[in-house]
Amino acid sequence: SQQGEEDPQALSIQEGENATMNCSYKTSINNLQWYRQNSGRGLVHLILIRSNEREKHSGRLRVTLDTSKKSSSLLITASRAADTASYFCATDSGSGGSNYKLTFGKGTLLTVNP
Amino acid sequence: SQTIHQWPATLVQPVGSPLSLECTVEGTSNPNLYWYRQAAGRGLQLLFYSVGIGQISSEVPQNLSASRPQDRQFILSSKKLLLSDSGFYLCAWSPLWILNEQFFGPGTRLTVL
Repeated sequence: SQQGEEDPQALSIQEGENATMNCSYKTSINNLQWYRQNSGRGLVHLILIRSNEREKHSGRLRVTLDTSKKSSSLLITASRAADTASYFCATDSGSGGSNYKLTFGKGTLLTVNP
Repeated sequence: SQTIHQWPATLVQPVGSPLSLECTVEGTSNPNLYWYRQAAGRGLQLLFYSVGIGQISSEVPQNLSASRPQDRQFILSSKKLLLSDSGFYLCAWSPLWILNEQFFGPGTRLTVL
């Protein structure tokens, strides 16, 4: 079953603008991760935020987590054409030592126009 | 440093033919290993995962099977491919006992005709 759901499904912006993508999930989590996928390639990990964290930064990326609303957002500031890709959130809701799975959303396709 | 390899990169197979996709990881020991399938424009569907040699967990009943004959080798197989098996297959690994980020291979594009 799909745990994370990204919103919007597609986003088109101009270079230099900020891009915000959202992710909602259904069950309690241990952590939430964001991944990026260039067309026809594997996924690349961007950032991980733990359930006891509210905000995290990495370069031009800012991730927030609101566990009360079961939602997260990924903000990319000062976007570049090279940021064009699909972005996925993934949740880890495993308990104990027996669950090693991540559940991925369907992704947001970001297009940054030069 | 760790690297993950998948082959082949692309594959076109007729319906009813067998399948074998291979994934190997270098530079780490005892990794968790995963097979995902991604349909066009869709998210990732977890197919199988493994926490050790010979230990395979199946997430979705289907026409596929997985095996882990060696610590850093993960194989996805089918005896008879269906049209619905077409897609982009991704292998990934993560450190054992610590589920942080997963590291993905470059993927295999499978087209079943």
